[in-house]
Amino acid sequence: EIVLTQSPATLSVSPGEKVTLSCRASQSVGSNLAWYQQIPGQAPRLLISGASTRATGIPARFSGSGSATEFTLTISSLQSEDFAVYYCQHFVNWPPGTFGQGTKLEIK
Amino acid sequence: EVRLVESGGGLVQPGGSLRLSCAASGLTFSSYAMSWVRQAPGKGPEWVSGIGDSGDATYYAESVKGRFTISRDNSKNTLDLQMNSVKAEDTAIYYCAKHPHSIRYGGSPFDFWGQGTLVTVS
Repeated sequence: EIVLTQSPATLSVSPGEKVTLSCRASQSVGSNLAWYQQIPGQAPRLLISGASTRATGIPARFSGSGSATEFTLTISSLQSEDFAVYYCQHFVNWPPGTFGQGTKLEIK
Repeated sequence: EVRLVESGGGLVQPGGSLRLSCAASGLTFSSYAMSWVRQAPGKGPEWVSGIGDSGDATYYAESVKGRFTISRDNSKNTLDLQMNSVKAEDTAIYYCAKHPHSIRYGGSPFDFWGQGTLVTVS
C-alpha cells in the first residue's frame, strides 16, 4: 500500500502570505495525485488533479507541482477563505488510493 | 450543476444494518464511476467502496469487504451502500463522491462530493 505523508501537520500563517504544503509518497505515483481543501463542516473540495491541473473554478492562486514521490501545493497569497485542512490523495489505479493525514492552515 | 444528495444515515446498534442512498442530478450519471468515502470524527477521509459506470465492477476497502455492498441504478440516478454487521469503527460521515470519468480510463480523483450523511454505531 502506498502511504502519503503530509508536512507540516499544522501551519500558522497570516493572510497575504505565500504557503507551500508538502506531500510525499512511499513509492512513485507518477502524476496521479490530487489535492483537496476541506473547510470545517463541509465536504472536501477538489483543488488539483494530475499533480498540477486546477479543477474547474479553482482560483489561480492555487498551484500544484511535483511527480513520482514529491509533491507540493502552493497558495500564492492566502485569503481568509483558504484557512482549512488540505489533503493529498493518490489515484494510480482502481481502487482509489489513500489520503494523506492532512495539513491544517490556521490564522497566525 | 452537479448535485449529490445523501440520505439514510442515523444511529444503529453494533451488528445492525443500514442502507445509504445518494441521489445524483445535473450529470449523465451512467457515464461516471462513483464511490463512497467516509470520514470519522477528527480524521481524514477514507475511501470505502467504488463502482464502475455500468455497475459491473465493484471495489471495497479491506475494512468493509464482506459487510458492505455498493450498487447503482442508472435509470434512477442513484447510488446505494448497504451496510451490514456494522461496527463502532464504522461511525463516520459518509460521502457520495463522483469520479471525473468512466472506470475504463483508470484511476481518478473525486471531482464532486455530496454533503454527507452521518452514521453512528452505538
